[in-house]
Amino acid sequence: GQNIDQPTEMTATEGAIVQINCTYQTSGFNGLFWYQQHAGEAPTFLSYNVLDGLEEKGRFSSFLSRSKGYSYLLLKELQMKDSASYLCAVLDSNYQLIWGAGTKLIIKP
Amino acid sequence: GAVVSQHPSWVICKSGTSVKIECRSLDFQATTMFWYRQFPKQSLMLMATSNEGSKATYEQGVEKDKFLINHASLTLSTLTVTSAHPEDSSFYICSARDPGLAGEGYEQYFGPGTRLTVT
Repeated sequence: GQNIDQPTEMTATEGAIVQINCTYQTSGFNGLFWYQQHAGEAPTFLSYNVLDGLEEKGRFSSFLSRSKGYSYLLLKELQMKDSASYLCAVLDSNYQLIWGAGTKLIIKP
Repeated sequence: GAVVSQHPSWVICKSGTSVKIECRSLDFQATTMFWYRQFPKQSLMLMATSNEGSKATYEQGVEKDKFLINHASLTLSTLTVTSAHPEDSSFYICSARDPGLAGEGYEQYFGPGTRLTVT
């Protein structure tokens, strides 16, 4: 079956760095997405990785290792507004998005 | 660019009635739209994939006669929850792909969601 694993919840301090991991086992791979979802709101796109390596976008970076079925989202200089759920999703061989359950990130002052 | 709107943002209805939710792509043509449901503290659950001009493809376990999907134009898809019951109360979110985007054409843009409460 298809499976995406990410931690349920993480806590970090304002101004610090946090890494949210995602491992996947899917039928085929056509890219991996990270989305941010604030409570009661729809997800918003953060990043897309299809090749191995690190993609940096401001305070957020996303890493992919296809051979290991592994990705992480790195958030630097954490701000209170970064408190949200972070969803990992993989595009499988049928170009269907397979969603992880999300990681709730709690930022403390 | 790539803005998706959804209407209404919230709705309360009585058990047994039907509710229609609209999803529009405002600045692009979406040949494919997706309907999700999300219960509190749970991840997104794909309900169906809607292709313009053809019948929707429903995920296993989703009743097609209860959740009617129509995608009559390239910018509008509707989800009708028929004979709603309290267990249908949920956050319904639509998304759309913009095939015109280079590189990240499979990225989904989400509408703001509709919170449905059935009493």
